Amino acid sequence: GNSVTQMEGPVTLSEEAFLTINCTYTATGYPSLFWYVQYPGEGLQLLLKATKADDKGSNKGFEATYRKETTSFHLEKGSVQVSDSAVYFCALSGSGNTPLVFGKGTRLSVIA
Amino acid sequence: GAGVSQTPSNKVTEKGKYVELRCDPISGHTALYWYRQSLGQGPEFLIYFQGTGAADDSGLPNDRFFAVRPEGSVSTLKIQRTERGDSAVYLCASSFSPGESEQYFGPGTRLTVT
Repeated sequence: GNSVTQMEGPVTLSEEAFLTINCTYTATGYPSLFWYVQYPGEGLQLLLKATKADDKGSNKGFEATYRKETTSFHLEKGSVQVSDSAVYFCALSGSGNTPLVFGKGTRLSVIA
Repeated sequence: GAGVSQTPSNKVTEKGKYVELRCDPISGHTALYWYRQSLGQGPEFLIYFQGTGAADDSGLPNDRFFAVRPEGSVSTLKIQRTERGDSAVYLCASSFSPGESEQYFGPGTRLTVT
């Protein structure tokens, strides 16, 4: 079945550092890929998405590129801020109307 | 506009009791999903509604879990004979249509079974 594996945290970075959170997936067909973010005390929010190979999703300075050859969707940001501290979830939705399959989440803490 | 709302935000119940968790999706959204998130894990799918009918209930862990959406809007997740292992955050999400890839999540209901 479909599955998502993302790097385990927690990840602690200093402000303005470069961020990478790795995500790889296993799926049949052509899934859509997502990054969701959960800020402290808030619900899950969609951060970015990509629906086909080589698409790049971007939002709030974060980027991720759908790499079919490596089955990956790594999240990157060039310069993190304290306000980026949150839990980040990689997820996929398979072909058709299938529900989301999530990774376990990576907790990011950014210190000033 | 109003997002997805869930009530109650917290529920503490004793082992063996029955609980109901409510989800109000975004108005006009036809697809509604329930997920369960255990501590330190990502959300896991439980059931998906398209309109009033359950299109996919393959994620329900056993027959103690049941969900309804009688008028195609509000949904209720029902858990009978609760067990301590049912303790988790129950998340609801909705999307405009089943083919719409973006799901909007509610804040969740934290269920604690003592």
